[in-house]
Amino acid sequence: FILTQPHSVSESPGKTVTISCTRSSGNIASNYVQWYRQRTGSSPDSLIYEDNKRPSGVPDRFSGSIDSSSNSASLTISGLKTEDEADYYCQSYDIHNWVFGGGTKLTVL
Amino acid sequence: EVQLVESGGGLVKPGESLRLSCAASGFTFTSFTLNWVRQAPGKGLEWVSSISGSGDYVYYADSVKGRFTISRDNAKTSLYLQMNSLRAEDTAIYYCTRAPLFSEWPQYWGQGTLVTVST
Repeated sequence: FILTQPHSVSESPGKTVTISCTRSSGNIASNYVQWYRQRTGSSPDSLIYEDNKRPSGVPDRFSGSIDSSSNSASLTISGLKTEDEADYYCQSYDIHNWVFGGGTKLTVL
Repeated sequence: EVQLVESGGGLVKPGESLRLSCAASGFTFTSFTLNWVRQAPGKGLEWVSSISGSGDYVYYADSVKGRFTISRDNAKTSLYLQMNSLRAEDTAIYYCTRAPLFSEWPQYWGQGTLVTVST
């Protein structure tokens, strides 16, 4: 299966943005979805794991959800800050195979 | 503190070989599956390979199957990726990653090592 993300999104500081991740085949709910943030020149950081859980240290401005009706997952970032500008990736898996979405570039302007 | 430190990247010509290493610390090495994930310049993330804690089970992406070999040395707490018959499309930053126990997602990432395949 593949995971499809929008190539880019933009929003103003203080606003809320949602990034989608659509699974091409198989049920989105059958395997957990994770979200990562990657700033320029850095390794990815975990933002959301197991669909909607936040690692310690990740602020509650970041939230994750899944929607079986659209077979997609979403990352929502509220109270946008300029420092949120980065690339965001979703990830899921099937048997012995990790799959990443193509990434979404978030611009905060 | 979990640490993963990759090394061994460099510039090679198409068809040549390279061996990447990842020195791990801060956790019980033999308990965890380890993985390689790569990222071509300006592109997204791609899972490459995984190896179980014992080393008995290994898995590969179709794009590298038959050319790359993952291995580990539990005594040295190190992970390796032997890359043969390298192609231009293998050019990428290679990250060593570790998932939580019984999970299928990368929780910890190294800083990555750059492999460039070019004439």
